[in-house]
Amino acid sequence: DSGVTQTPKHLITATGQRVTLRCSPRSGDLSVYWYQQSLDQGLQFLIQYYNGEERAKGNILERFSAQQFPDLHSELNLSSLELGDSALYFCASSVGRGPRTDTQYFGPGTRLTVL
Amino acid sequence: AQSVTQLDSQVPVFEEAPVELRCNYSSSVSVYLFWYVQYPNQGLQLLLKYLSGSTLVKGINGFEAEFNKSQTSFHLRKPSVHISDTAEYFCAVSPSGGSGNTGKLIFGQGTTLQVKP
Repeated sequence: DSGVTQTPKHLITATGQRVTLRCSPRSGDLSVYWYQQSLDQGLQFLIQYYNGEERAKGNILERFSAQQFPDLHSELNLSSLELGDSALYFCASSVGRGPRTDTQYFGPGTRLTVL
Repeated sequence: AQSVTQLDSQVPVFEEAPVELRCNYSSSVSVYLFWYVQYPNQGLQLLLKYLSGSTLVKGINGFEAEFNKSQTSFHLRKPSVHISDTAEYFCAVSPSGGSGNTGKLIFGQGTTLQVKP
């Protein structure tokens, strides 16, 4: 158990809908990262937040948005869902801003299925 | 921009045999290098990382990796594998220094290690 929790574990929805994925980082971790794992794209970095502020952005679609709240949990919002958004979404957390001094710990993921 | 290539999508090996999982990267800036493991239905777990210094890095579960700057490679090795090592292995890089030090990980496509009895 990494200490990172993600809810829900599974999510099944229809095209055009909107969903929210939730992540609670390990106690004391200030950074939260979101990754998408799909069969065709592999593991892709979406976005990083550090202590409530956006730190880095990757291949995140405009239909997707994220935020980190004052209690440091994070939510990833996916809207106007398409079949291709079906994937495993991972959240990771770390103490600091980057990898030089700390490690990213991954949650178990949320499996999103868009029908 | 950075990219990571894992040269083998699947590596079958017999138990107690040695194994090498190959990883090459491309980057215009200095990077940190990582190997992660993903067991079935689980999240990723860090095996080892290279930040600087000695090019031979030792990690958990008996794995080690060697950074070769001239060949831009970071191959993962284990002298004797166990059935429990069956998993997906991911090589990753992260830009280092300045505004690049964000923790963003760029992953390869993964290598499935299948350990047979």
